Order: sequence, then C-alpha cells, then structure tokens
Amino acid sequence: EDKVVQSPLSLVVHEGDTVTLNCSYEVTNFRSLLWYKQEKKAPTFLFMLTSSGIEKKSGRLSSILDKKELFSILNITATQTGDSAIYLCAVRRDDKIIFGKGTRLHILP
Amino acid sequence: NAGVMQNPRHLVRRRGQEARLRCSPMKGHSHVYWYRQLPEEGLKFMVYLQKENIIDESGMPKERFSAEFPKEGPSILRIQQVVRGDSAAYFCASSPDRGPETQYFGPGTRLLVL
Repeated sequence: EDKVVQSPLSLVVHEGDTVTLNCSYEVTNFRSLLWYKQEKKAPTFLFMLTSSGIEKKSGRLSSILDKKELFSILNITATQTGDSAIYLCAVRRDDKIIFGKGTRLHILP
Repeated sequence: NAGVMQNPRHLVRRRGQEARLRCSPMKGHSHVYWYRQLPEEGLKFMVYLQKENIIDESGMPKERFSAEFPKEGPSILRIQQVVRGDSAAYFCASSPDRGPETQYFGPGTRLLVL
C-alpha cells in the first residue's frame, strides 16, 4: 500500500532556530514529491521535487529529495513566528497526490 | 483571476441529511480534485474529475458519496445520509492540466454532522 510518512508529527522551537522536517515514502509509479504549508485554511504550495540531490530554495526554506532512499527533507532556517503551520509532504502517483499526516510546527517568540 | 471558490465554508447537518459541497475552479481550469481532511490527519484524495468525466474515484467511499463536474457550473460533492464520521474539512483543488502538481486549493468546506 502506498504511504507517505512524516516526522516529527509536531515540533515546538524558539524563534531563530533551524528546523528539519522529514518525509519518507513508499509509492509505486512515483512522479514527484511536493511540500505544502497549511495555516488555517487551504494548503499553499512550497516546492516540487522530481530529481535526486537538487536543492530547491525559497528564502529561508529549502528542500531536497533522495530517490534512492525514498525521502525528502524540508529545512527552515532562522524561523519566525509566521512559520507556525502544518507542513504537508505529498507524493504524486499517476494522476493523484498522496499526502502525509503533516508536521505541526509551532514557533515560540 | 479569482482563486478556487468553495461554498458553503461551513455546513452543519443532522445525521441522515444530505450535504452538498460546491467547488468553482479557477478560470481556465478544467481539472478538479476533492480531498477530505479529518482532524489531526493529512488530506486524503477522494476523486479526480474533468468536465463531465470522473477520471479517478479510487478514494471515494463506496456508498453515500458521489461527485460530478458538469459542463456548466461548479463541481459538486454530494454526501447522502450523513453520519458523524463524515465530519471533516473537504478541500477542492483545480488545475489547468492533468498534472496535480499545478493544483490550487480552495479554502475548504467544514462539515459538522450533529
């Protein structure tokens, strides 16, 4: 059965800390891996990864994929209270996306 | 260009009633996906539709749930004879092409079954 597993499930850190969120997957017909940020409403897209070893960056966020070991990490440096959210990892299989349960990140001021 | 719109945003139903959730995709988008999110859970794929066609409904419960995306008008997710376990947030996403990576999410409909 296809699965996407995220860890940790929740994380509390202080502002300014660096965090690493993990995502491992077992999915047949893998097409891509995606990261989303979900605050109170709809998930918003962060990154799409298709190739191993190529880091994607956007400001203080970065992500990388390892297709051999079947995992990805999302790094957030110099965290701010506005980074508090649920971070969702998802994998595209065929025409649908399979989501992990998410990591609930809380940044303390 | 307005984003994906869902209505109602909140819906309260008693057990046994019907729930109808609507999703208007972004302009120019002809692909619609529905997801369900239970408390403390990630989003679970339910169904993928194109105009007038159901492409993949492998995530839909076998009974009581149906979805459509007519030629004109919004996509509808219909839940008949709702039960307490149907209480969840239902998200719709649309994309301009077959790749779900390009999907944009709506704000969701929060269904509460009393």
